[in-house]
Amino acid sequence: DQQVKQNSPSLSVQEGRISILNCDYTNSMFDYFLWYKKYPAEGPTFLISISSIKDKNEDGRFTVFLNKSAKHLSLHIVPSQPGDSAVYFCAASKTPTGQLTFGSGTQLTVLP
Amino acid sequence: GAVVSQHPSRVICKSGTSVKIECRSLDFQATTMFWYRQFPKQSLMLMATSNEGSKATYEQGVEKDKFLINHASLTLSTLTVTSAHPEDSSFYICSAGDSNQPQHFGDGTRLSIL
Repeated sequence: DQQVKQNSPSLSVQEGRISILNCDYTNSMFDYFLWYKKYPAEGPTFLISISSIKDKNEDGRFTVFLNKSAKHLSLHIVPSQPGDSAVYFCAASKTPTGQLTFGSGTQLTVLP
Repeated sequence: GAVVSQHPSRVICKSGTSVKIECRSLDFQATTMFWYRQFPKQSLMLMATSNEGSKATYEQGVEKDKFLINHASLTLSTLTVTSAHPEDSSFYICSAGDSNQPQHFGDGTRLSIL
């Protein structure tokens, strides 16, 4: 049973527009949520995180929104750049340093 | 700069060989590190939790005698794939974090068993 789901395997966006990546989770024990960016044959790179006491966290072009009642979070990238093209993984954990449960990833392609 | 270093990045070896992968936290001490495995076009699957000074905790379905984990210091965990076979070929990634920062990942090790 997948506890963290990313239902869109791929997303294409025009350069300069907003990219919205979605993630749903089922385990109500998760309290920390993270987004990672990954290129082929490399480890994931941390982008941004949010704890369950917040509903929004912003860092430059990246904003993560959390809707705890709906068990849904999203990552907004604006403006999107071609260099943002990568696989984006949503991850969740019960504690700040606990093991991560990953979604299946979304391949983002930003078209020039 | 990288806060978690993983070595080697690529290993190609014959079936039956044992392979050791190292994971180091560079700027912080990690009492816990995690080992993941990723198959092509799939997500990262947690294999085991490496605990400094004690036995690792393995996820269901992961053979502890096959994948030996040693976490001898607060900055180093090793994963040894013993008597590797072609089905062990995969991308192995470690991660570490502490109370001051989220988990960071190494660059991964591409293991190819011939």
